[in-house]
Amino acid sequence: DTEVTQTPKHLVMGMTNKKSLKCEQHMGHRAMYWYKQKAKKPPELMFVYSYEKLSINESVPSRFSPECPNSSLLNLHLHALQPEDSALYLCASSQEPAGVTDTQYFGPGTRLTVL
Amino acid sequence: AQSVTQPDIHITVSEGASLELRCNYSYGATPYLFWYVQSPGQGLQLLLKYFSGDTLVQGIKGFEAEFKRSQSSFNLRKPSVHWSDAAEYFCAVGSSSANAGKSTFGDGTTLTVKP
Repeated sequence: DTEVTQTPKHLVMGMTNKKSLKCEQHMGHRAMYWYKQKAKKPPELMFVYSYEKLSINESVPSRFSPECPNSSLLNLHLHALQPEDSALYLCASSQEPAGVTDTQYFGPGTRLTVL
Repeated sequence: AQSVTQPDIHITVSEGASLELRCNYSYGATPYLFWYVQSPGQGLQLLLKYFSGDTLVQGIKGFEAEFKRSQSSFNLRKPSVHWSDAAEYFCAVGSSSANAGKSTFGDGTTLTVKP
């Protein structure tokens, strides 16, 4: 099973709202990722968790706050977003964050619209 | 620094025709290479990967890719395209221990299939 699940599938929020995106995998992977993807563009890396510790933050604005409660779960907390943050947010996981075991498996994504 | 170039932004082929999508990479050592496919509004699905060994790798959905070190290429092929293959295709180079977690994606190639 190489499934990564993400909820919700779609999210519409105002600029003053607080919401969270959720990602889950049960493959025993120890690296989990958040990507942001705009239409017709490749995914842009936002955060990487390795062994439940934040290992990479690609200078993401603080209105995005990641959390890794356990090895299977990854959340992305959203607060005071801007309309330009509207995008497809993808979660991925891999066995390890580097080398031959860095085959990333992606979830279906959350389509976020900020009004 | 590693990089990936997909020279073709958009390719149109007739159903039943053969397909080749180009990917060129820049990497200091033996790269870990991936092809992903993304249907509209969906996540990325792994088609195939190359780590070492046989330079011709087989993937899902009838796709294959050939690693050519001398040309720094990893082109994706399919002998007979189906209408359901219409999608966005991304080539990617996996991370190394030096930049763990940071895969590099090409800009993608949009495939249109004519009936």
